[in-house]
Amino acid sequence: EDQVTQSPEALRLQEGESSSLNCSYTVSGLRGLFWYRQDPGKGPEFLFTLYSAGEEKEKERLKATLTKKESFLHITAPKPEDSATYLCAVQGTTDSWGKLQFGAGTQVVVTP
Amino acid sequence: GAGVSQSPSNKVTEKGKDVELRCDPISGHTALYWYRQSLGQGLEFLIYFQGNSAPDKSGLPSDRFSAERTGGSVSTLTIQRTQQEDSAVYLCASSRSGANVLTFGAGSRLTVL
Repeated sequence: EDQVTQSPEALRLQEGESSSLNCSYTVSGLRGLFWYRQDPGKGPEFLFTLYSAGEEKEKERLKATLTKKESFLHITAPKPEDSATYLCAVQGTTDSWGKLQFGAGTQVVVTP
Repeated sequence: GAGVSQSPSNKVTEKGKDVELRCDPISGHTALYWYRQSLGQGLEFLIYFQGNSAPDKSGLPSDRFSAERTGGSVSTLTIQRTQQEDSAVYLCASSRSGANVLTFGAGSRLTVL
């Protein structure tokens, strides 16, 4: 069974203080690893998909990387608007399309 | 529509009553998904539709839960004889056929008293 563990549960950063979020996963065969951002009262918003170890993707201050066992979401020089819960999810090759296994998320607060 | 639309946004009901939650996906998205998010927990897969058929219902927690999709568009999630443990945010998502990037709606928050 697919498993996803995210750490830390919560992260408080000063504006400009870079940090990384961890997503450890277990899956029989990886079809894709996904990062989503969720703001309070809203549904998750797609950020990245990673497919194979060594792959990296960037968007503004965010950079996602992937190894065979974990993924990192690096936040460089964060701003208060980066405050959100960041969710990691995996889809295995034996899972039906759209069936993602989500982690519990990392709640990030960036203070001015 | 421009995004995935869900209604109601909030529903408070009494234990034992039935509830219906509605999802209107993005126009042209043939795949539709229901997830559940309980307080402090990750999203939990419930069911996946491709067109009007449901190839994967494996996440439905019990036979009190059912979902249908008509006309390849709107979907309804029905919970019969609600229990307090059904309290959660129910999220709907849609995607193009063959794409596994999901676009989520804002969710329907269900509170069972």
